[in-house]
Amino acid sequence: DAGVIQSPRHEVTEMGQEVTLRCKPISGHDYLFWYRQTMMRGLELLIYFNNNVPIDDSGMPEDRFSAKMPNASFSTLKIQPSEPRDSAVYFCASSFASSYNSPLHFGNGTRLTVT
Amino acid sequence: AQSVTQLDSQVPVFEEAPVELRCNYSSSVSVYLFWYVQYPNQGLQLLLKYLSGSTLVKGINGFEAEFNKSQTSFHLRKPSVHISDTAEYFCAVSVGKAAGNKLTFGGGTRVLVKP
Repeated sequence: DAGVIQSPRHEVTEMGQEVTLRCKPISGHDYLFWYRQTMMRGLELLIYFNNNVPIDDSGMPEDRFSAKMPNASFSTLKIQPSEPRDSAVYFCASSFASSYNSPLHFGNGTRLTVT
Repeated sequence: AQSVTQLDSQVPVFEEAPVELRCNYSSSVSVYLFWYVQYPNQGLQLLLKYLSGSTLVKGINGFEAEFNKSQTSFHLRKPSVHISDTAEYFCAVSVGKAAGNKLTFGGGTRVLVKP
């Protein structure tokens, strides 16, 4: 099992540019979560999907953020246009909700720096 | 809604000394409790979880935690720490599989183990 795979590991971009973060969940998992981690706000849930359908996007900061899950093995988080305050580490996590013994499994994160 | 409070943002500790990280939660429903560890530049890894049963839970790397329902606490302990335990530790709650084990995190506690 390769675990949750995120790409890129690091992204540096200029303000105003579009940024796309990618995630491949663990095969067979039916929930996928996007979290953002900053020093000021800690770990915040942005959005989560069940069977590729967005369930709760109330944590998405504003319309500049969007997330998609076109199939069970791929999700993207897009920021357009990016701003310096979007600088953070973005984590993707997945789980198999039918089992209590499958808590969230996290990827290694994407460190985004917007200059 | 659930919330999690980690009372200590940083805990310095000498190698081979014991450590306790405090976690309190609030919730109007039954919750499941977790501790995750984050090593530098990595994602979060599960240390241990409480779902039901015995209130003393043992996890990986010699850590254990005790669920106290009356005090709504889930403190993490290790009797003797190693340099390699230097990391950030997160307490988290979920309402279980109804939300895909969606986690609400505390603010984290940074543990710095000194030789």
